[in-house]
Amino acid sequence: GAGVSQSPSNKVTEKGKDVELRCDPISGHTALYWYRQSLGQGLEFLIYFQGNSAPDKSGLPSDRFSAERTGGSVSTLTIQRTQQEDSAVYLCASSTLNTGELFFGEGSRLTVL
Amino acid sequence: GESVGLHLPTLSVQEGDNSIINCAYSNSASDYFIWYKQESGKGPQFIIDIRSNMDKRQGQRVTVLLNKTVKHLSLQIAATQPGDSAVYFCADSGGFKTIFGAGTRLFVKA
Repeated sequence: GAGVSQSPSNKVTEKGKDVELRCDPISGHTALYWYRQSLGQGLEFLIYFQGNSAPDKSGLPSDRFSAERTGGSVSTLTIQRTQQEDSAVYLCASSTLNTGELFFGEGSRLTVL
Repeated sequence: GESVGLHLPTLSVQEGDNSIINCAYSNSASDYFIWYKQESGKGPQFIIDIRSNMDKRQGQRVTVLLNKTVKHLSLQIAATQPGDSAVYFCADSGGFKTIFGAGTRLFVKA
């Protein structure tokens, strides 16, 4: 497909388990963002990758959260020892350097029981 | 730190009326803004953008106004339709990192 692809679309897990969320950006997009959106809330910035530069991790809420981007393409957001407050929709977006427009995936809805 | 905020969390309008959604920003150096629309269960989508060398930009039924003096921008939707019901975000996209405002939920009453 031509858009940003995220998987899984829904994930239910038990408190304390680790989860991995995947984002496949638009081909050729050098920038990749992860945002978190709690129910009825705005977009909380988590992490930003741009090309080969060191990622901006300033939005990660705790050391249980980490993300990597392999080969400048696919990214994985990992949440260790999940807590109930981690329940949210995790949105990934990508963009090019030439435009500020972000192209979003449909998100991964995480529910921690 | 930088922030982009919205004046109203919800807005309810009658179908056919015009809608105005407001946004304030704090970084006077910001030079590029984008409005996004987020429908239920989907990611935000680009609606319209504006650069700081402009104070108005029009699209199809939407207009964005930028007032750099008071660091405020607004999104105007003409003849609001049920399909316009969504959450609208303004975003400061002039820097390396896009910063989103809190969002306004628009309800359109039939």
